[in-house]
Amino acid sequence: QEQLRESGPGLVRPSETLSLTCNISDVSIKIDALYWAWVRQPPGGGLQWIGSVSFTGVVYSNPALESRLRLSMDPSKSHFSLTLASLTAADTGVYFCARQTYDTNYYWYYLDVWGKGTSVIVSS
Amino acid sequence: QVLLTQSPSASASLGASVRLTCSVSSSRSPFGVAWLYQQPQKGPQFVLKIQMDGDHRTGPGIPHRFSGSKSGSDYFLTISGLQSDDEGDYFCQTWSVDHMSFGGGTKVTVL
Repeated sequence: QEQLRESGPGLVRPSETLSLTCNISDVSIKIDALYWAWVRQPPGGGLQWIGSVSFTGVVYSNPALESRLRLSMDPSKSHFSLTLASLTAADTGVYFCARQTYDTNYYWYYLDVWGKGTSVIVSS
Repeated sequence: QVLLTQSPSASASLGASVRLTCSVSSSRSPFGVAWLYQQPQKGPQFVLKIQMDGDHRTGPGIPHRFSGSKSGSDYFLTISGLQSDDEGDYFCQTWSVDHMSFGGGTKVTVL
């Protein structure tokens, strides 16, 4: 059962802006969610946190990307979005969205529901 | 800033056990660590979380063969009765104040 689905352009030219959307298709997973996260993975590489956005629009961002990044939550709470400006080849990879769940006993966040990812290639 | 360190690879025979380590370096101990599993060309899957007191909880649908533990600043994922479907990459993840961190990942091979 698909719960999160990422969508995007696939191929983007250098210096342009990337726009991605994550659709929350399973309403039941919204219940325990405080934040929603974006994570990316370069080819053959590990996971890199991009940023997180709450239902109320509060944003946490990776400092390395913050100046180029904008995260937003749709008022309907059915999807959330990412825009990343001034793209370079280093931004190539698979982009995932995920549910960021809050542990109420120990006060920390973990990612427990993930999308399948969408591939982004930055090339002219 | 929290740094999570994992060995790049681990291997064990079919039916054996393997223990993966996530070593945490931080001026402030995280409240917990999560383990994620990723097969090639797929999105990560939540396996379990380990709290700072060592208590752990597995995710829905995760077999009891997967367990978590902690010793000092090291967080462990143990897979017992290793199966061929367990091959893949395992990442640890945590959150501290306003930042999320991931380990570099451990590739598990079933011999």
